[in-house]
Amino acid sequence: GDSVTQMQGQVTLSEDDFLFINCTYSTTWYPTLFWYVQYPGEGPQLLLKVTTANNKGISRGFEATYDKGTTSFHLQKASVQESDSAVYYCVLGDWTNAYKVIFGKGTHLHVLP
Amino acid sequence: GGIITQTPKFLIGQEGQKLTLKCQQNFNHDTMYWYRQDSGKGLRLIYYSITENDLQKGDLSEGYDASREKKSSFSLTVTSAQKNEMAVFLCASSLRDRNTEVFFGKGTRLTVV
Repeated sequence: GDSVTQMQGQVTLSEDDFLFINCTYSTTWYPTLFWYVQYPGEGPQLLLKVTTANNKGISRGFEATYDKGTTSFHLQKASVQESDSAVYYCVLGDWTNAYKVIFGKGTHLHVLP
Repeated sequence: GGIITQTPKFLIGQEGQKLTLKCQQNFNHDTMYWYRQDSGKGLRLIYYSITENDLQKGDLSEGYDASREKKSSFSLTVTSAQKNEMAVFLCASSLRDRNTEVFFGKGTRLTVV
C-alpha cells in the first residue's frame, strides 16, 4: 500500500543552522504531498503542500520540492530559529478509495539557542 | 475560519472500561478522521468517515468503534481500555478533494489506570 518514510526521528541543531529532513514516499500514482508541523499541546497544522502541478512549496522560510524521479519530498530551511522546535510530519494524500492522508512517523526538531 | 472541538481534553479510565471521545467541527467538511498518536510512532489512522453515517476502517481499528451521527460530529469509543495505556487521540476533518488540507483538533489525552 501507499506509505511515507521519515528516517530521522530526532534532529538537534543550533540557531542559524541549515535544516534538512528526509522524506520518501511510495504510491502507484502522483499524490499531493504535505508537510505538517505540530507544536506541544496542539494538533498538527499544515506547513506547506505541493501538488503535481507546482512541484515546490514554500512557507515561513521552509521549502520542499516534489521529485517524482526519486519519489522524495525533503523539507529544508536555510536558517532555523529556536521557535522552529516542533515535530514535522511528511504526509501523502491518498485518493485510492476515498480521500485520506497518510502520515510519516515524524521528525522531532530541537533547536538550541 | 472554523474549529474542531474535542471533548474531553483529558480522560482517565479504568482497565476494561468503555470510553467515548467526542469531536465536533464547524467547517462543514465532508470527511472526518480519528488518529491515535503515541510517542515516537507518529499518527495512526483508526477510523474515517466520508459522509454522515459512513465509516471506513483505518490501520488501527481493532479495539475501537466509531459513529458519525451527523455531518458535524464524529465520536470514537474505546471498547475495552487496556491497563497502562497512554495516548493522544486526534480528530481531524477535510473536504473531499485530493489537494485539500486536513484540519486537526487539539486532542484528547487518554490514561488508563
